[in-house]
Amino acid sequence: QLQLQASGPGPVKPTETLSLTCAVSGFSIGSSKYFWAWIRQSPGKGLEWIGTISPTGNTFYSPSLKSRVTISADMSKNQFSLQLNSATAADTAVYFCARSSPQLGLDSPAGWFDPWGQGTLVTVSS
Amino acid sequence: EIVLTQSPGTLSLSPGESATLSCRASQTINSHYFAWYQQKIGQAPKLFIYGAFSRAAGIPDRFSGSGSGTDFTLTISRLEPEDFAVYYCQQYDSSHITFGQGTRLEIK
Repeated sequence: QLQLQASGPGPVKPTETLSLTCAVSGFSIGSSKYFWAWIRQSPGKGLEWIGTISPTGNTFYSPSLKSRVTISADMSKNQFSLQLNSATAADTAVYFCARSSPQLGLDSPAGWFDPWGQGTLVTVSS
Repeated sequence: EIVLTQSPGTLSLSPGESATLSCRASQTINSHYFAWYQQKIGQAPKLFIYGAFSRAAGIPDRFSGSGSGTDFTLTISRLEPEDFAVYYCQQYDSSHITFGQGTRLEIK
């Protein structure tokens, strides 16, 4: 059974880098059929797509976060990661990882998200 | 960016009644690229509808999606106690994926 588990080192100070890892079990992230995504949820902005990575390593990012985001994957550990640079209080949110079903080929992140991991709260505060 | 506006913000109904949740897009969306999610407190969103009309695995047929162009609807017939939650719409017709702000379905 596919499960996703997001984890991170805990609170982040402003200007530091927010780093999270999503461990995937029950399914290989190298499968050509699916992509892998990060989504966050904050009270002020609701659900916000952060970015997606394909099994070939293509990455797609939200235009509003593109300058600060890096998503990468480690096939040997069956996990993928999120790095968000120059964190501010506005980045405080619950971060979810999810599997994405791409609908427009390998050159587009377009797809729905299923399933999602349980989410991890990241607080950015001094 | 395609902005999705959900209405109403909160819907108060009783078990057994039917619910109609709306999502309006700021520009035309291919209906194949539209989804609905349910989220309960303290849980991750769960996919309910994809491709605007198709129910995800295990979702009862009380849930149905419809719509085209800029207007999409999630209809829930014969509300059960477990249906009361927050519902989000999502579009994936553009490379900038966006979600609606949610509709809270609460017990009246």
